[in-house]
Amino acid sequence: AQKVTQAQTEISVVEKEDVTLDCVYETRDTTYYLFWYKQPPSGELVFLIRRNSFDEQNEISGRYSWNFQKSTSSFNFTITASQVVDSAVYFCALSEGGGSNYKLTFGKGTLLTVNP
Amino acid sequence: KAGVTQTPRYLIKTRGQQVTLSCSPISGHRSVSWYQQTPGQGLQFLFEYFSETQRNKGNFPGRFSGRQFSNSRSEMNVSTLELGDSALYLCASRTGGVHEQFFGPGTRLTVL
Repeated sequence: AQKVTQAQTEISVVEKEDVTLDCVYETRDTTYYLFWYKQPPSGELVFLIRRNSFDEQNEISGRYSWNFQKSTSSFNFTITASQVVDSAVYFCALSEGGGSNYKLTFGKGTLLTVNP
Repeated sequence: KAGVTQTPRYLIKTRGQQVTLSCSPISGHRSVSWYQQTPGQGLQFLFEYFSETQRNKGNFPGRFSGRQFSNSRSEMNVSTLELGDSALYLCASRTGGVHEQFFGPGTRLTVL
């Protein structure tokens, strides 16, 4: 069965600090997809990134970067020079790649608070 | 392109009633999934519809049902509401063969 663990329930930082959100996953599939979503107070889940299991290249998008390591089953998310607007709940999710199963299994989320 | 829309945004019901929530996917997306979000259980998958057929179902009782119409719009229904059904219900759509799902703003259901 697939599982996603986000051990950090809450993180509080001061603006301009770097912050890393941890995500550890479990799956028996060799093909799978990993995601990060952001949920601001408005409630809508905003898609940030998707990573395929066969592509371990790290990715950077502006102040955001993602580190995918299959050896440790981790897909961590780093925000550089955090801003108050980054305050939200961040979810890591997993989708197994077989057949017609596209359901997302989410972690419990990490509440990030960026203080001015 | 317009995003995923959900109606209504807020709903208050009493125990024993039933409720229908609606979701309109992004234009061109044929898959719609539903998720329930509660403080205790987090985000849980309810079901997915693709081209009017249910493709996958989560571990929820039969009181939770859904359907999809030929224009890809979807509805989910919860019958005989219980207090524990109070949650944010999120709808997501995706295009075929792609795993990214794009979410709507959700319907917040309160059962009294």
